[in-house]
Amino acid sequence: QSALTQPPSASGSPGQSVAISCTGTGSDVGASNYVSWYQQHPGKAPKLIIYEVNKRPSGVPDRFSGSKSANTASLTVSGLQVEDEADYYCSSYEGRKLFGGGTKLTVL
Amino acid sequence: EVQVVESGGGSVQPGGSLRLSCTVSGLRIGNDWMSWVRQAPGKGLEWVANTKPDGSEEHYVESVKGRFAISRDNDRNSLYLQMNSLRTEDTAMYYCVPESSSGYAHWGQGTLVIVSS
Repeated sequence: QSALTQPPSASGSPGQSVAISCTGTGSDVGASNYVSWYQQHPGKAPKLIIYEVNKRPSGVPDRFSGSKSANTASLTVSGLQVEDEADYYCSSYEGRKLFGGGTKLTVL
Repeated sequence: EVQVVESGGGSVQPGGSLRLSCTVSGLRIGNDWMSWVRQAPGKGLEWVANTKPDGSEEHYVESVKGRFAISRDNDRNSLYLQMNSLRTEDTAMYYCVPESSSGYAHWGQGTLVIVSS
C-alpha cells in the first residue's frame, strides 16, 4: 500500500495563508469523502484537525480548512500563527487505511 | 473526556516478541473498529492493523502479515497487538486509535518499540 503524496515542506509568514496538498488515486482520495488531516508537534501525538474532507472537530480554529478535487485533497491554513509550525499528515480512512508522508510547515 | 493509554513497548532483539496493550476510558470501544498506527523515528504515520467491533475481522498492512496479531477485549475496553518475529524496521512509536466516521479523533501518547541487536 503506497502512502498518499504530500510535499515534504511548506512555509509562510505570520498572517499569510498556506496550502498543503495530498494526492492519492481514484481508489482512495478520489473515491471517498473520508479524508482527514492531522497536526503533530514534536514529541506529541497527532491531533485531528479536519475530517470528512472539510469538517472541523470542536475546538479547532476556523483558520484550518479542507477541500478536495478529484484525487487531491488540500489543507489550507489561513492567518498563519507561530504555533501552527508542525508536521501535517493527510489520511484516507475508508477502505484501505492510508497516510500521507507528512509536510513540515515552517512559520517564518 | 476520552483517554487512550498504550503500554507494553520496550527494547527487544530481532526475532523477538512483544505484546502491546491499550486501555480506553471515556468511550466504549465495543461499537468501534480499532486500529494500531505506528511512527518510526523521524518518519511519517503508518497504519498497521485494525479489528472489527466484535473481533470477527482483522486487517493488516502487508509488511506485518503473519507476524502481528491484533485482538480486543471489549469487556475490558482494551486492544492488544501481539508482535512476533520482530525486525529492526518495526522500531516505532505505536498508537492505539479508535476509528470513526470522523477519522482518528482520539490518540494516546503511544508506546515505543525498539528492535535492535
